[in-house]
Amino acid sequence: DIVMTQSPESLAVSLGERATINCKSSQSILYSSNKKNYLAWYQQKPGQPPKLLIYWASTRESGVPDRFSGSGSGTDFTLTISSLQAEDVTVYYCQQYYSSPPTFGQGTKLEIK
Amino acid sequence: EVRLLESGGGLVQPGGSLRLSCAASGFTFSIYAMSWVRQAPGKGLEWVSGTSASGVNTYYAESVKGRFTISRDNSKNTLYLQMNSLRAEDTAVYYCAKVPYCGGDCGWFDPWGQGTLVTVSS
Repeated sequence: DIVMTQSPESLAVSLGERATINCKSSQSILYSSNKKNYLAWYQQKPGQPPKLLIYWASTRESGVPDRFSGSGSGTDFTLTISSLQAEDVTVYYCQQYYSSPPTFGQGTKLEIK
Repeated sequence: EVRLLESGGGLVQPGGSLRLSCAASGFTFSIYAMSWVRQAPGKGLEWVSGTSASGVNTYYAESVKGRFTISRDNSKNTLYLQMNSLRAEDTAVYYCAKVPYCGGDCGWFDPWGQGTLVTVSS
């Protein structure tokens, strides 16, 4: 199975500042034939199911604010929130869908500094 | 609006069985692959099982293989998860989730249902 490792496990950022969450896969999740990275990001608020933010590592889901962006390739990926808003303070997960079983990172908890 | 509504969770003793259902609406259920993903209390996300649109192909995490069975009734727009030989470590919120249709390449989950809590305890 591909192991997904997020860092840091928790992160404190001031409102209006940039937040950066990292995700590393144990093997490349870049498919050479289509040059796509098989990675998604989710946001999960307390008591709610996860919400899809980004897929193909950098494609923002419809309706997701443009302060959220994804980047990276191969084994190293980043979710960036360009200007942290109060409603962004929650937990974020990455997920690979390159191979079965799909696997998730352990989560990163974003807090206000 | 796409909606997924899980039901069937509850308290069950170790070794017992439970059947979860996920009622889908707002989309053509029969053309989408579906999955179950669980989350133990205070923990992260774990994919449990998935099925193709037709239900012919099914997939399981090693942790549940041989104990859980995924199925679907496309005439009723409903996904199921039959859980047997339940263990304490199966305690979790179980979410059903839709997999986008894009020729088999897409493997993210969107949307997710609200989840149903399964508690395995004596």
